[in-house]
Amino acid sequence: QQQVKQSPQSLIVQKGGISIINCAYENTAFDYFPWYQQFPGKGPALLIAIRPDVSEKKEGRFTISFNKSAKQFSLHIMDSQPGDSATYFCAVSLSGSARQLTFGSGTQLTVLP
Amino acid sequence: DTGVSQNPRHKITKRGQNVTFRCDPISEHNRLYWYRQTLGQGPEFLTYFQNEAQLEKSRLLSDRFSAERPKGSFSTLEIQRTEQGDSAMYLCASSWGTILQETQYFGPGTRLLVL
Repeated sequence: QQQVKQSPQSLIVQKGGISIINCAYENTAFDYFPWYQQFPGKGPALLIAIRPDVSEKKEGRFTISFNKSAKQFSLHIMDSQPGDSATYFCAVSLSGSARQLTFGSGTQLTVLP
Repeated sequence: DTGVSQNPRHKITKRGQNVTFRCDPISEHNRLYWYRQTLGQGPEFLTYFQNEAQLEKSRLLSDRFSAERPKGSFSTLEIQRTEQGDSAMYLCASSWGTILQETQYFGPGTRLLVL
């Protein structure tokens, strides 16, 4: 069973536009929701993360919106730039002895100049 | 560069051979994770160390896979009798601090191709 479903698989946005990527999860016990950015040939890098006690978190042009009742969270990239072109992964995890991350399948974002 | 480093970056091997990868975490990070990423997919958790103790292993980690972290510093991941299905990117991540404050920092990965 897929624990986190990510959509869309790919996204093309014009420079200056808003990019929106969505994730849905099943297990209500998850309590940590990060987004990672990955460029070709590189490992994933943490972009922004949220915990379920808040509904929104903003860091610069990146915002996470979290809907606990719907078990969904999304990444919004405002004023998208060509340098944002990368693959984005949502992830979920549980508190415990190890915070192993369960990743979504990824969204390949292309920002056109 | 004080990030997570992984060696080698690329490995091509023939089916049936053994391979070993190394991960050097960020200095003083006590937690170390191994993930596997296949093309077009997100990383999948393999195993986790806190200091030198291997505390969790995924069901993905078959008997052909073994990981160590001697002295709680670098870690190695060995795959014995490689199969074509083992072809993937193997990622290492490290972290420190309390679980609630943790951020996992990933290395660049080792890309394995089994012929």
